[in-house]
Amino acid sequence: NAGVTQTPKFRILKIGQSMTLQCTQDMNHNYMYWYRQDPGMGLKLIYYSVGAGITDKGEVPNGYNVSRSTTEDFPLRLELAAPSQTSVYFCASRTALGTHFGELFFGEGSRLTVL
Amino acid sequence: QKEVEQNSGPLSVPEGAIASLNCTYSDRGSQSFFWYRQYSGKSPELIMSIYSNGDKEDGRFTAQLNKASQYVSLLIRDSQPSDSATYLCAVPRPGGGADGLTFGKGTHLIIQP
Repeated sequence: NAGVTQTPKFRILKIGQSMTLQCTQDMNHNYMYWYRQDPGMGLKLIYYSVGAGITDKGEVPNGYNVSRSTTEDFPLRLELAAPSQTSVYFCASRTALGTHFGELFFGEGSRLTVL
Repeated sequence: QKEVEQNSGPLSVPEGAIASLNCTYSDRGSQSFFWYRQYSGKSPELIMSIYSNGDKEDGRFTAQLNKASQYVSLLIRDSQPSDSATYLCAVPRPGGGADGLTFGKGTHLIIQP
């Protein structure tokens, strides 16, 4: 069972370049999230999705875009990369079942450096 | 905006002792509380969830919740070097949690052999 798969694991970008971080989950989860984590900091929510075709902004959406055309895929697009976007990016998903907030399953992370 | 506060540490504990990690949160309406463990260079993994006041035990881990004091803690008994990691406290964000969890900055725990 693959769970949440992120690609690439590492990437170096030049200022002004664009790229897409890929995220795929095979657990049929409705909810998907993108977080970023800077050194010594907790995770900050960038964007989230509650199902195919539905996305919304989190705490730190500026400079990013997302789409959710299928239940499985939730790519994160970085436009005009800036040094402030140097971070580790985590994709996560969870089921919508139950009355309590369920477990978040995380991908292995994508380490992005913008120079 | 919900806030989750943790001491960043590092918290150094001798092997075999009890490690005590603390977390406070600002939203009195929070109903679910989580502890995630994150090894260096790895992704977070859920180790404990708690929804009711009191204690919840799972193996060497005990989560304690006091909603009146807006305080949640994690105790690790018989600490092992493999417990050395950053521990993240988290609560659901506004909107019933559809928009994910708010995480604290984490406490870096070091178990000294």
